[in-house]
Amino acid sequence: KQEVTQIPAALSVPEGENLVLNCSFTDSAIYNLQWFRQDPGKGLTSLLLIQSSQREQTSGRLNASLDKSSGRSTLYIAASQPGDSATYLCAVVGGTSYGKLTFGQGTILTVHP
Amino acid sequence: SAVISQKPSRDICQRGTSLTIQCQVDSQVTMMFWYRQQPGQSLTLIATANQGSEATYESGFVIDKFPISRPNLTFSTLTVSNMSPEDSSIYLCSVQGNIQYFGAGTRLSVL
Repeated sequence: KQEVTQIPAALSVPEGENLVLNCSFTDSAIYNLQWFRQDPGKGLTSLLLIQSSQREQTSGRLNASLDKSSGRSTLYIAASQPGDSATYLCAVVGGTSYGKLTFGQGTILTVHP
Repeated sequence: SAVISQKPSRDICQRGTSLTIQCQVDSQVTMMFWYRQQPGQSLTLIATANQGSEATYESGFVIDKFPISRPNLTFSTLTVSNMSPEDSSIYLCSVQGNIQYFGAGTRLSVL
């Protein structure tokens, strides 16, 4: 059974810092990995999706990497802003589980001015 | 892209009653997914809903407790039956496109 773990559980940084969120998964036979953002009272917003054949994806100040063989992904946020404060979730889709995501517990990020 | 609308956005219900959550997608999709997020926890898949067939439930979830309807390719409902306080959660509908899309969720509190 796939298990996804995110470290740290919570992170508080001053504005402007670069930061890294970590995600690990136990079964390397994944189809893809997604990073989501969840804001209180709102649904999930997809930030980046990495296919199993890819090593990284970038969108603006966000960069996500994937090392499938070691079961790890990182989300790098450059020049953090207070608006980045949210819960960040990592989720994987198994190789034969189309559309079924297994989520990590999330990292609660607070960026203070 | 896909836009998902969920109703209601939140509700407070009494123990023993049932609540039906609606999910409407702005495009036709083969599969729709229902997730639960318990307080302080991450998301767990409840079931996959295909149009024209019975939903497929994940381990720990049963049809009698969470009946699902999928009458067409843009709509689905999830009912939380005979509710107890342990059912207090956020319930989210999701569809798979080029990425995974989620509705805003239904925040359910059971007293």
